[in-house]
Amino acid sequence: EVQLVESGGGLVQPGGSLRLSCVGSGFTFSSYWMSWIRQAPGKRPEWVANIEQVGSETHYVDSVKGRFSISRDNDKKSLFLQMNSLRVEDTALYYCAREGHGDHFDYWGQGTLVAVSS
Amino acid sequence: YELTQPPSVSVSPGQTARITCSGDALPKKYAYWYQHKSGQAPELVIYEDDKRPSGIPERFSGSSSGTMATLTISGAQVEDEGEFYCYSTDISGNQRVFGGGTRLTVL
Repeated sequence: EVQLVESGGGLVQPGGSLRLSCVGSGFTFSSYWMSWIRQAPGKRPEWVANIEQVGSETHYVDSVKGRFSISRDNDKKSLFLQMNSLRVEDTALYYCAREGHGDHFDYWGQGTLVAVSS
Repeated sequence: YELTQPPSVSVSPGQTARITCSGDALPKKYAYWYQHKSGQAPELVIYEDDKRPSGIPERFSGSSSGTMATLTISGAQVEDEGEFYCYSTDISGNQRVFGGGTRLTVL
């Protein structure tokens, strides 16, 4: 059974930093692109970033470029999101997701909550 | 790029629920559908317009015609309640977007 478990969320002040983690199990982690997706309260989900299988290629939504960094450790079956210069508008539930063939997400975790507030 | 869904759909148990998703690139790009129940991980219920992942009940089906994709739940059950999101990309594939979500009520 594919499982994705996120951690690392919390309350942080504007301008602060957080590092999210996601551990995958039940599949060959190193064979898949992985993504972070977020959903702010009352808003639609928003794809944030993704990373290819060995970490040499990454992509970001424009609103987080230069502030967020996605990485992975295949030996630990882990995905990370380093979030710097956080803004109030980054407040959201952050999901880790596996990318299926054909540019979509076939499995998601339950999410970790990030709240940016003074 | 934007995908547009109705905010809510309500049916009685056993009726057919249809949820639509409109987007200009849908004639060229696949639509995907996710079901999200509160407190749970979102679940893929339809991929590539009309394919059903293993484990998803046969009452879930998808179709796409022109600029509209449709998720159909034939004989909706109370346990099907939740938020449904469509997902696709713009024509270039660079923008990955979700619809605004449709809350399905079965009662």
